[in-house]
Amino acid sequence: AQKVTQAQTEISVVEKEDVTLDCVYETRDTTYYLFWYKQPPSGELVFLIRRNSFDEQNEISGRYSWNFQKSTSSFNFTITASQVVDSAVYFCALSEAGANNLFFGTGTRLTVIP
Amino acid sequence: DAGVTQSPTHLIKTRGQQVTLRCSPKSGHDTVSWYQQALGQGPQFIFQYYEEEERQRGNFPDRFSGHQFPNYSSELNVNALLLGDSALYLCASSLAPQGYTFGSGTRLTVV
Repeated sequence: AQKVTQAQTEISVVEKEDVTLDCVYETRDTTYYLFWYKQPPSGELVFLIRRNSFDEQNEISGRYSWNFQKSTSSFNFTITASQVVDSAVYFCALSEAGANNLFFGTGTRLTVIP
Repeated sequence: DAGVTQSPTHLIKTRGQQVTLRCSPKSGHDTVSWYQQALGQGPQFIFQYYEEEERQRGNFPDRFSGHQFPNYSSELNVNALLLGDSALYLCASSLAPQGYTFGSGTRLTVV
């Protein structure tokens, strides 16, 4: 069975601080995909990244970076020099090969204080 | 280029009633998925439609049904509404092997 755990329910940081959002997943498949989505108050889920299980290279996109470690089944997300606009709920999700759905964690609410 | 469009944005229904939610996928996308997001929770997969057929279904009762039209737009129908059906309903469209694009959702309140 698949499972995604986001143990941090809420995080508050002061603007310009770095913050890391944790994601731990469980799956029996060897081929799967991991995602991060951002959900601002408007409700729309905004796609941030997709990573397949065979690509363990860390990725950086501007202030965002992702650390994928299969050995610990983790796919953590770091925001460097946080900004108020980063305030949102962030979801980690898993999709197994051959499946047509995303399995989401419960989300982490990030508040960046000016 | 318009993204995923959902209507209505908000809706209030009475317990026992029926509701229809609508979704227009992103241009070029042929697959539509529906998710239910209860307050404070992550979205849960309801079902996915491709080529006007339900391709996969999550753990939701038969009260939840859907339809996809030839133009790829989709409807989600919920019968015999329960208070527990109150949630944000999200539609996502995709074109394999690309990722999913989500709409802003329909906020359903059952009273």
